[in-house]
Amino acid sequence: QVQLQESGPGLVKPSQTLSLTCAVSGLSIDSYDHYWSWIRQAPGKGLECIGYIYYTGSTYYMPSLKRRLFISLDTSKNQFSLELYSVTAADTAVYFCARVSLLKDYFDNWGQGTPVTVSS
Amino acid sequence: QTVVTQEPSFSVSPGGTVTFTCGLSSGSVSTSFSPSWYQQTPGQTPRTLIYSTNTRSSGVPDRFSGSILGNKAALTITGAQADDESDYYCVLHMGSGIWVFGGGTKLTV
Repeated sequence: QVQLQESGPGLVKPSQTLSLTCAVSGLSIDSYDHYWSWIRQAPGKGLECIGYIYYTGSTYYMPSLKRRLFISLDTSKNQFSLELYSVTAADTAVYFCARVSLLKDYFDNWGQGTPVTVSS
Repeated sequence: QTVVTQEPSFSVSPGGTVTFTCGLSSGSVSTSFSPSWYQQTPGQTPRTLIYSTNTRSSGVPDRFSGSILGNKAALTITGAQADDESDYYCVLHMGSGIWVFGGGTKLTV
């Protein structure tokens, strides 16, 4: 069974970089049938997909975050990561990693989510 | 920019039937958008309910069903139960590898 687990600091200072990792077990991230995505949910708000990466290294970033977001993958550790630069309070959210099925066009596996607060 | 629209809230009596919809600010939703639906209890991980318009994810009871109604995707809960009280999100695949979430519908049972 595929499992995804996020990890990273729960508190980041404004203007600094938020770094999160999603460890994947049960399936190699070298999968041509899946994207590996990051989704966030600000307090009291809905879900938004901020970006994803394919095993080839190609990426998609939400346009409003394109200049601050970088997603990478580490096949040796079977994990993928997010870096969000120059964070502000507006980046405070629960961050989920999720697998996207390219065969069926949906988010078929989710991590538990990790809360991140941006505050000095 | 096209927005995916959902009703902000719905209320249903226990045992009742409720249908949420998922539309576009411009245009119609069809099966080509591969509508999917997710249930989220506050503070919890989203749970996949429906994908490819009307296919239930593993373990999802058959009282949850998906469809296209007119120009929108729809999620119907038949025989609502107390533990169905959650937020429900639809997602549409807009093509070119872009998936967009709706704003979510809060269901009160």
